[in-house]
Amino acid sequence: DTAVSQTPKYLVTQMGNDKSIKCEQNLGHDTMYWYKQDSKKFLKIMFSYNNKELIINETVPNRFSPKSPDKAHLNLHINSLELGDSAVYFCASSPSRDTFFGDEQFFGPGTRLTVL
Amino acid sequence: AQKVTQAQTEISVVEKEDVTLDCVYETRDTTYYLFWYKQPPSGELVFLIRRNSFDEQNEISGRYSWNFQKSTSSFNFTITASQVVDSAVYFCALGRETSGSRLTFGEGTQLTVNP
Repeated sequence: DTAVSQTPKYLVTQMGNDKSIKCEQNLGHDTMYWYKQDSKKFLKIMFSYNNKELIINETVPNRFSPKSPDKAHLNLHINSLELGDSAVYFCASSPSRDTFFGDEQFFGPGTRLTVL
Repeated sequence: AQKVTQAQTEISVVEKEDVTLDCVYETRDTTYYLFWYKQPPSGELVFLIRRNSFDEQNEISGRYSWNFQKSTSSFNFTITASQVVDSAVYFCALGRETSGSRLTFGEGTQLTVNP
């Protein structure tokens, strides 16, 4: 059974479009994350949600809006896509509740977004 | 501020050689956590190890071993008798004991093991 799943795996779209990436975890975890991996493989946190509540919002353009309908899902909606948004986006989850106790983060397979 | 430095961008070895991947971190926290993740060519991120700041014991798991030294703020990873399947990008990461923690990743080391 897939622990953290993301759809779609690949997303190719034109500049200016709006797109969404979905993430689901079946691990019963309380915290979910979105990371962005750029073309140089650098991984950077974008958002973190703890039990549907936004905890971390790094310096990300407000064109990016995460939505968590329940603690098992964390979707990422991107408005007005730009060339620089091309990257691999990883969803992750961890058991963490209020305090992070060094939990392992379980990553999804990634979504490769290409903006033309 | 949290920072992780993996100075080796790329390493290339021949199968059966031993290889060490370096990781140096910076933090002002007294409690923190260090991780290694592997990203094979298929792209997924695979957890390898977690170590908390109070446990400086070295760890060995099969051909993998980790050397944590607080005195030098390093958490190095050694693969013994490397194999072609070890070819991947390896990331060192630092985590905080704080609400809604995030992992701060190093820039990764691309390891290529040639037959």
